[in-house]
Amino acid sequence: QQPVQSPQAVILREGEDAVINCSSSKALYSVHWYRQKHGEAPVFLMILLKGGEQKGHEKISASFNEKKQQSSLYLTASQLSYSGTYFCGTSSNNNDMRFGAGTRLTVKP
Amino acid sequence: KAGVTQTPRYLIKTRGQQVTLSCSPISGHRSVSWYQQTPGQGLQFLFEYFSETQRNKGNFPGRFSGRQFSNSRSEMNVSTLELGDSALYLCASSYTTGTYEQYFGPGTRLTVT
Repeated sequence: QQPVQSPQAVILREGEDAVINCSSSKALYSVHWYRQKHGEAPVFLMILLKGGEQKGHEKISASFNEKKQQSSLYLTASQLSYSGTYFCGTSSNNNDMRFGAGTRLTVKP
Repeated sequence: KAGVTQTPRYLIKTRGQQVTLSCSPISGHRSVSWYQQTPGQGLQFLFEYFSETQRNKGNFPGRFSGRQFSNSRSEMNVSTLELGDSALYLCASSYTTGTYEQYFGPGTRLTVT
């Protein structure tokens, strides 16, 4: 079951904040976040595990609501380099991974 | 440490043909997953291999198959190609199966004419 991401696209000015949401209809074991720049491979940002453990880059902030089967990625004080498509991937049994359709983020000067 | 490599990077095939794509994971990584990426569809999971065994399979027809070798290198094969198979095929490796970060290769761009 593919998770649902929102919004589909967002445009920001440098320094503004954004929140990207990811929700699933199934109970989740973990949520993964990746960013893909145009013409490049997706790059790992963060993993959030059931129970509260998180692994990822220091400058990335995210939350995981196990009861609601939702995760949010928080991008604060955005920079031009934040532009790209953000994907959430969810795993319901620590086994399979399903990715959402992506959120296209554009940061303008 | 070398990253994930995929060959070939670009491929043009005609309908009905078959194709084999190759993926070499990061040294020490034993899990390899394959994804199909098309505009607007995001990353569609194809399958995952770990220790030469298919661990999981996505919702793709049997024309899509894969395998993993003892050195963790993986291949995927698509038989009887259709126009709709045109996509970027990405492989990702991780240290082991389960909840670990994945490292993606640059992908193979397949065009079916």
